[in-house]
Amino acid sequence: QKEVEQNSGPLSVPEGAIASLNCTYSDRGSQSFFWYRQYSGKSPELIMFIYSNGDKEDGRFTAQLNKASQYVSLLIRDSQPSDSATYLCAVTTGTASKLTFGTGTRLQVTL
Amino acid sequence: DGGITQSPKYLFRKEGQNVTLSCEQNLNHDAMYWYRQDPGQGLRLIYYSQIVNDFQKGDIAEGYSVSREKKESFPLTVTSAQKNPTAFYLCASSIPKLTDTQYFGPGTRLTVL
Repeated sequence: QKEVEQNSGPLSVPEGAIASLNCTYSDRGSQSFFWYRQYSGKSPELIMFIYSNGDKEDGRFTAQLNKASQYVSLLIRDSQPSDSATYLCAVTTGTASKLTFGTGTRLQVTL
Repeated sequence: DGGITQSPKYLFRKEGQNVTLSCEQNLNHDAMYWYRQDPGQGLRLIYYSQIVNDFQKGDIAEGYSVSREKKESFPLTVTSAQKNPTAFYLCASSIPKLTDTQYFGPGTRLTVL
């Protein structure tokens, strides 16, 4: 069983729509949850992190965490073509502040 | 400017050769990490270090070696024992226990000829 699972996509949404990206994790002890965006050929860049159950908003991005269901999601409002990228979910596992990454969801925002 | 630098950006290696990838950070972060990314896959942890002169194996350490002689530097050597080294290598750093957030360098793309 994969520790962090994401749908590989591609997820295709029209410009201006809401993109919903989902991630499930297996370690109930995970405390910190991260979303990274990775453009093709580039390194991951941090979009958001969330530690507590509920929603956290930052501009067009909202992270949602449900620890009971072991589920974290990222909503992107008013999607733009520049949002087209692969989105990586990462969670802390064990000690030593290690992150375990999902394989990523490829998002395509169409004109 | 604070950040993480990796060099070279592209690296070509002949089979049987060892190569060393550089990672330097001036963020004053205690912890540093090396990941490998293969096409269409997530990041897999190779080695990590939480303090100078100490490091631990990650999930795929075989065929790799590291050192941490300075807080700012965490070089990765890909040895000839690594059977399939062609990949995108990413270095990251963080301040553990304060925040688990990891920040990444630009990466090195290694190709074995």
